[in-house]
Parts: sequence; C-alpha cells; structure tokens
Amino acid sequence: KQEVTQIPAALSVPEGENLVLNCSFTDSAIYNLQWFRQDPGKGLTSLLLIQSSQREQTSGRLNASLDKSSGRSTLYIAASQPGDSATYLCAVDSGANSKLTFGKGITLSVRP
Amino acid sequence: GAGVSQSPSNKVTEKGKDVELRCDPISGHTALYWYRQRLGQGLEFLIYFQGNSAPDKSGLPSDRFSAERTGESVSTLTIQRTQQEDSAVYLCASSLELASGELFFGEGSRLTVL
Repeated sequence: KQEVTQIPAALSVPEGENLVLNCSFTDSAIYNLQWFRQDPGKGLTSLLLIQSSQREQTSGRLNASLDKSSGRSTLYIAASQPGDSATYLCAVDSGANSKLTFGKGITLSVRP
Repeated sequence: GAGVSQSPSNKVTEKGKDVELRCDPISGHTALYWYRQRLGQGLEFLIYFQGNSAPDKSGLPSDRFSAERTGESVSTLTIQRTQQEDSAVYLCASSLELASGELFFGEGSRLTVL
C-alpha cells in the first residue's frame, strides 16, 4: 500500500527566502506525482505534475524534482512571498487512474 | 463550465439524516473523482467515474455511501444515516481523461454532522 509522507507539517520563513518542501513515498512504482496548493477553505490547485519518466518540472518560481528510486520529491520555491502562504500537498498516482494517495501537507507561512 | 462546481458549499445536518452532495465537472471531462478530507487527515480517495461507470468503489467507507454520475456530467455523492465521523470536506475533481494527469478540484462541500 502506497504511503506518502510530508515533513515537517508546518514551516515558517521570512519573505525572500528560498525554500524546499519534501515529500517521500514508499512504493517507487508510480505513474506520476503532483504538487498541489490549498488555501484555507478552498479546493486544491495543481501546481506541477511530474510524469514517472521525468526528473523535474518548472513553473515560474516553482521547481519540482522527482527521484523515483529513492521515493522522494522536492518542491523548491524561490524568493518566497507572503502570497505563497498556504498548505502544499504532494500526491502520487500509482495506478495510472488518478486514484491519488496524498500526504497530509505542509502548511507554509511566509512572514513579511 | 469554467471550473469544477460543488454544492452545497456548507451543510450542517443531524445524525441519522441523509445528505446529497453535488459535483458539476468541467465540461468535456470524462473522468470524475470524489475525495474526502477530514480534519487533520490527508485526502482520502472515495470513488472515481470513467464516463458514467464507477470501476473502483473500494474507497467508499461503508455501504451508507453511494455515488452516481449521469450524462457523463453531474455526479451526486449520497451519504445515508449520517454519523458524526462523516464530518469532513468532500472534494470533487475532474480530468480530461482517466490518467491524463492533471486534476482540477472544486472548492469542496463542508459537511458537519451534529
């Protein structure tokens, strides 16, 4: 059974800092991995999708990497801003059907 | 529509009552998913639809939960005889095709069972 872990559960950083959010998963036989953002009381917004054959994806100040063999992904946020404050969720598709297994998320607070 | 729409956004009900939650996916999206997010927990997969059929119902927590989809569009998640442990945010997502990758989520229906 696939398990996804995100540690720490919460992170507080000053504005402008570059930061890395970690995600680990137990079964390396994945189809893809996605990073989502969730604002309080809102749904999830897809940030980056990495297919199993890919190593990384970039969108603006965000870069996500994937190392299947070690069961790890990182989300790198450059020059963090207060607007980046949210919960970041990592999710793995192990069955090519978007039946995703989610981590519990990392709640990020960027202080002005 | 422009995005995934869910209703109601908030529902408070008494234990033992039945509730229906509705999801309108993005037009043209053939795959639809229901997830549950309980306080302090990660999202749990409930069920997915490919067209109007649900090949995998393994995530439904009990036989009090059921879901249907019609016209390859709207889906309804029904919870019968609600219990307090059913309190959660129920999130719906759709994608262009099964395993196309990117999921688009609605804002969820927050259910509180008193």
